[in-house]
Amino acid sequence: TQLLEQSPQFLSIQEGENLTVYCNSSSVFSSLQWYRQEPGEGPVLLVTVVTGGEVKKLKRLTFQFGDARKDSSLHITAAQPGDTGLYLCAGAGAGSYQLTFGKGTKLSVIP
Amino acid sequence: SAVISQKPSRDICQRGTSLTIQCQVDSQVTMMFWYRQQPGQSLTLIATANQGSEATYESGFVIDKFPISRPNLTFSTLTVSNMSPEDSSIYLCSAWAGAGGYTFGSGTRLTVV
Repeated sequence: TQLLEQSPQFLSIQEGENLTVYCNSSSVFSSLQWYRQEPGEGPVLLVTVVTGGEVKKLKRLTFQFGDARKDSSLHITAAQPGDTGLYLCAGAGAGSYQLTFGKGTKLSVIP
Repeated sequence: SAVISQKPSRDICQRGTSLTIQCQVDSQVTMMFWYRQQPGQSLTLIATANQGSEATYESGFVIDKFPISRPNLTFSTLTVSNMSPEDSSIYLCSAWAGAGGYTFGSGTRLTVV
């Protein structure tokens, strides 16, 4: 069974601060995805990374996939209150369509 | 990417009854999945809904409790049977549409009283 350790579980920061969320595993994933979920909604895909060492940017969000494809990070620059939500990482193993989810990071950005 | 309509969005049910949750996708998708999520927490996979065959269940979930149908490539249902308060949770369906990636329904918040 592949496991994804996501940290921190909770994060409360002031508007304008930077933050990083981590996902780590002892398993190799063929792809890793990051989602953001708001209350009463399903998770919404932010990005998919597939290549070891890959870095993707989405406005103030930077996503990195580890060289060995076992870990990933999400960095948010100058956080805004609109960034508040539950952030989930999810990995897919080779040849599998099933996603393994991390436990999630509940982010609160205080104005 | 595919868009999923999931209903009901929420329900309050009596213990011992059953609830069927429906997911309709706006395009044909290869794979559909059903998850359970406690509010503010991560997702646990219940089963993979296979078109034309029985669903594949994860450890801890059984067909008698969570029967699943997938009659075609755009529709699936999950039934939560003989409900107890422990079944109170958010239930989500998901679809994998190949290059379109994974899409999720907006969830069904179930409360069993």
